[in-house]
Amino acid sequence: SYEVTQPPSVSVSPGQTATITCSGDKLGDKYACWYQQKPGQSPVVVIYQDTKRPSGIPERFSGSNSGNTATLTISGTQAMDEADYYCQAWASSTVVFGGGTKLTVL
Amino acid sequence: QVQLQESGPGLVKPSETLSLTCTVSGDSISSYYWNWIRQPPGKGLEWIGYIYYSGSTNYNPSLKSRVTISIDTSKNQFSLKLSSVTAADTAVYYCARSIVATMGLDYWGQGTLVTVSS
Repeated sequence: SYEVTQPPSVSVSPGQTATITCSGDKLGDKYACWYQQKPGQSPVVVIYQDTKRPSGIPERFSGSNSGNTATLTISGTQAMDEADYYCQAWASSTVVFGGGTKLTVL
Repeated sequence: QVQLQESGPGLVKPSETLSLTCTVSGDSISSYYWNWIRQPPGKGLEWIGYIYYSGSTNYNPSLKSRVTISIDTSKNQFSLKLSSVTAADTAVYYCARSIVATMGLDYWGQGTLVTVSS
């Protein structure tokens, strides 16, 4: 079955750019989504179809997907962006989640 | 505003069947994909499966032998049954909507914790 892999943790200083990667075989041939989950809350989609932002998601969130890697970039990271982030791909008519990345803003 | 609400027992005994229902408001269930996802305490998200409004289903291969998802359009609800549960099935269970598969899961329920214990 298809798998996608994320780093367990990423740290960033406030105001800097955070980059979270998601790797999978030929992931660039599939669409990737990204979710933000804060403690005690349900996940929220922040990027879908590789690069698109749902309404209400700040412009500092952006995405890309090429080759074997999808990337979530948060520009000008704020303290409120500290959360777990999950990538998700659609493969063989199934939903596949990455293991999640804990973003720490310090 | 679309809202999803999970309901069902919070405690299930080992070897029994876990049953949850998701009630959808603010939208007709007679469209789109309707998903179940779970998250063990302190761990990541695991997709369980989805049902399309037409009734077709697709399940996570690792759970397929134990999972059934059904839909009741008259009640605007869809349901999850997971059989032969063990402690490893203890998790927060979420229901979520997807308009098109590639657009991700855009609306989620608040989640409900199900504990498997005797």
